Amino acid sequence: EAQVTQNPRYLITVTGKKLTVTCSQNMNHEYMSWYRQDPGLGLRQIYYSMNVEVTDKGDVPEGYKVSRKEKRNFPLILESPSPNQTSLYFCASSEDWQNTEAFFGQGTRLTVV
Amino acid sequence: AQSVTQLDSQVPVFEEAPVELRCNYSSSVSVYLFWYVQYPNQGLQLLLKYLSGSTPVKGINGFEAEFNKSQTSFHLRKPSVHISDTAEYFCAVSEVGSSNTGKLIFGQGTTLQVKP
Repeated sequence: EAQVTQNPRYLITVTGKKLTVTCSQNMNHEYMSWYRQDPGLGLRQIYYSMNVEVTDKGDVPEGYKVSRKEKRNFPLILESPSPNQTSLYFCASSEDWQNTEAFFGQGTRLTVV
Repeated sequence: AQSVTQLDSQVPVFEEAPVELRCNYSSSVSVYLFWYVQYPNQGLQLLLKYLSGSTPVKGINGFEAEFNKSQTSFHLRKPSVHISDTAEYFCAVSEVGSSNTGKLIFGQGTTLQVKP
């Protein structure tokens, strides 16, 4: 079954404590991206990756890092989380960079206190 | 710059009634258009997409959407809704043939509330 898997699904953490949200896809897609979803704002892209070792900033990259060492994995790293990063995060993958068929993970609800 | 506006944040409707969720977009280039559905505590699922050709386009669960280039709209419709259609719906666009980030630009979302 085609899947994008994120972990954890829920996370409560404290300000400044580094955390990583993992994302893995089993469709051999080259294009992957991270979005955050906030009420009234829809989803906004944080970072994206066109292929292994190729990553770039999206619209809201401040406070986040990513890496793409393998095609299937695209972790999102928060080096020093702050309360304004409390949000619902989605990882997505697509066969093409125009996202004509994007698959989304189940989401990670992060609360930073 | 691209933008997507969903004109209604909430749409309450009775079961078996028709529904239309409205979406307008702004872009200086051609776009691909999408509707996604998000059920409670789940990820986004592609409902339908318009890449080119004839309109309306049909999607899953009996939904269809009409692309109107002159009005830059992509409204989602269903002739008869079910309780199970209660969810949040997102309209999104992606630029055609551009060397930009390839990102999806999303609207703010519309919550469809189907009442018995």
